[in-house]
Amino acid sequence: SAVISQKPSRDICQRGTSLTIQCQVDSQVTMMFWYRQQPGQSLTLIATANQGSEATYESGFVIDKFPISRPNLTFSTLTVSNMSPEDSSIYLCSVDASHEQYFGPGTRLTVT
Amino acid sequence: QKEVEQNSGPLSVPEGAIASLNCTYSDRGSQSFFWYRQYSGKSPELIMSIYSNGDKEDGRFTAQLNKASQYVSLLIRDSQPSDSATYLCAVTGRRALTFGSGTRLQVQP
Repeated sequence: SAVISQKPSRDICQRGTSLTIQCQVDSQVTMMFWYRQQPGQSLTLIATANQGSEATYESGFVIDKFPISRPNLTFSTLTVSNMSPEDSSIYLCSVDASHEQYFGPGTRLTVT
Repeated sequence: QKEVEQNSGPLSVPEGAIASLNCTYSDRGSQSFFWYRQYSGKSPELIMSIYSNGDKEDGRFTAQLNKASQYVSLLIRDSQPSDSATYLCAVTGRRALTFGSGTRLQVQP
């Protein structure tokens, strides 16, 4: 398995601002993923972040809104830009370790 | 048609009973199948993975896979109140996991 930490654990932000979420893993991993889980919903993949290449975004998610960095094999950031109340959600970092995916504790974002 | 379908529940079982959670998927090319448990306010926790047809047992949990029927299930024996959670079925697609909407399990003491 993998031990994953995320910062911040929660935040309350004003509309129009941006928040950067950090994800740190205790071992080197090739693939990292960012998911969103809206209240009462299941998980939706935002993008896949591989070190050394551009992130791959899923349908409905764009780089301008959710820029991602992956500077090395243990770290990634997701920025939620120009936030609106619809962005209120839990954002989860996930990694692939031995073909199994493990999740960080999540970042609970509330946009007012 | 959703890619991964689960009954949202809630599924209510008495303590000590067997809880049976079901999941169907649409992509015949899927290779890996997972069950996650998610407690309210927490992130998903991997509890079972299965890759080939048949049963896989781990303690009180048994995962069952039938690729011909595109069906995967999770059995929880001797259910405990601490098993009360949402159970998410996940299937490996072309890139990352595709999740079902989850089944909420309630184990009544």
